[in-house]
Amino acid sequence: DAKTTQPNSMESNEEEPVHLPCNHSTISGTDYIHWYRQLPSQGPEYVIHGLTSNVNNRMASLAIAEDRKSSTLILHRATLRDAAVYYCILRDGVNNQGGKLIFGQGTELSVKP
Amino acid sequence: DTEVTQTPKHLVMGMTNKKSLKCEQHMGHRAMYWYKQKAKKPPELMFVYSYEKLSINESVPSRFSPECPNSSLLNLHLHALQPEDSALYLCASSQHRLGGYNEQFFGPGTRLTVL
Repeated sequence: DAKTTQPNSMESNEEEPVHLPCNHSTISGTDYIHWYRQLPSQGPEYVIHGLTSNVNNRMASLAIAEDRKSSTLILHRATLRDAAVYYCILRDGVNNQGGKLIFGQGTELSVKP
Repeated sequence: DTEVTQTPKHLVMGMTNKKSLKCEQHMGHRAMYWYKQKAKKPPELMFVYSYEKLSINESVPSRFSPECPNSSLLNLHLHALQPEDSALYLCASSQHRLGGYNEQFFGPGTRLTVL
């Protein structure tokens, strides 16, 4: 499985936008880019996913570079509740190996009031 | 109901004990997963069940024994564990559509301590 690289930690101020980067230079053509987050004392939760085009949902936006070697998760207005570890995960959309997710180290986001 | 429930929330056991972790979902998902998460580390996949059959075992020691008695339930039987097995055990479930994205729904986990 292709590997992702994320900063260990980031800080944000409440109500400001947050851009969480992810590098995945060895991504293959069939790899989808997924983001999950894990709030303190909870299991991970799905945030967003995409293949080539930018994606928006009620939680966040995903901006994917044209060469797909990097992507950015955008939280438009961070709240205290967004403090969590954010995981960027690549998953093969064709040979998805039974749905397995391989988590990298993730970025721990802290949000200051 | 989009919830995955896990019991117990906390478990303390000795190295000679036998115990079980339980996971339940009522979303009609036919894929279920066990992950292990050590403190300050990402979750690591242990097992995947598809349509109640074990499809992936990530070389997990035999002291961990999974069981999927029906499409809503997933158990993890524990026997002769070591202190290094202390961790958060997470259960997840997803649909099993080929060619589509199957978002995984995670439970809150069972915090296991092995003395």
